[in-house]
Amino acid sequence: DAGITQSPRHKVTETGTPVTLRCHQTENHRYMYWYRQDPGHGLRLIHYSYGVKDTDKGEVSDGYSVSRSKTEDFLLTLESATSSQTSVYFCAISESGLRTNYGYTFGSGTRLTVV
Amino acid sequence: GQSLEQPSEVTAVEGAIVQINCTYQTSGFYGLSWYQQHDGGAPTFLSYNALDGLEETGRFSSFLSRSDSYGYLLLQELQMKDSASYFCAVRDYNQGGKLIFGQGTELSVKP
Repeated sequence: DAGITQSPRHKVTETGTPVTLRCHQTENHRYMYWYRQDPGHGLRLIHYSYGVKDTDKGEVSDGYSVSRSKTEDFLLTLESATSSQTSVYFCAISESGLRTNYGYTFGSGTRLTVV
Repeated sequence: GQSLEQPSEVTAVEGAIVQINCTYQTSGFYGLSWYQQHDGGAPTFLSYNALDGLEETGRFSSFLSRSDSYGYLLLQELQMKDSASYFCAVRDYNQGGKLIFGQGTELSVKP
């Protein structure tokens, strides 16, 4: 299996506090993604990165920011957590942005609860 | 924008064959993928179709018709362990090749 780990696995935080989720990969893949998964919505893209310091917004980026200072790490920050951000967050990596049939490899997810 | 439609639930019996359909709408279609997710787990990649036709990988096959904006995942010789959610996802070159996922089909395999 590809080396991708997310931390923490579970977190409970209070409304209004900042939260940072970490995704770490050992595969040296160029592309990294953050998705959230909620019942009835499938997987929705929050932000993605196509290289160190190169990031862009996905379909549900409001309230989130990301940073990628090293190839192996992609951080997702909730600047001021809200209850609507209670979700399961998945990180994914990909060897290529478009021309690939290898698919994405997902981390095990972070279950975030905002109270 | 993009949209994908797939049934929310499918039930089948062990040993049977089941087909999960996916229709999509996107401006820059590049390929259709399928992912499996067991309850609480990470989605795992099953298959990818960029061209029309059938791709077979063991008990699983995936089909694509670009002219119909339609694809399906075919699971044969169903086993209890196939009970999971299945997601179709499109790659859109107008969106930098990012994967856009459908809402998922929950497959229940009964004895």
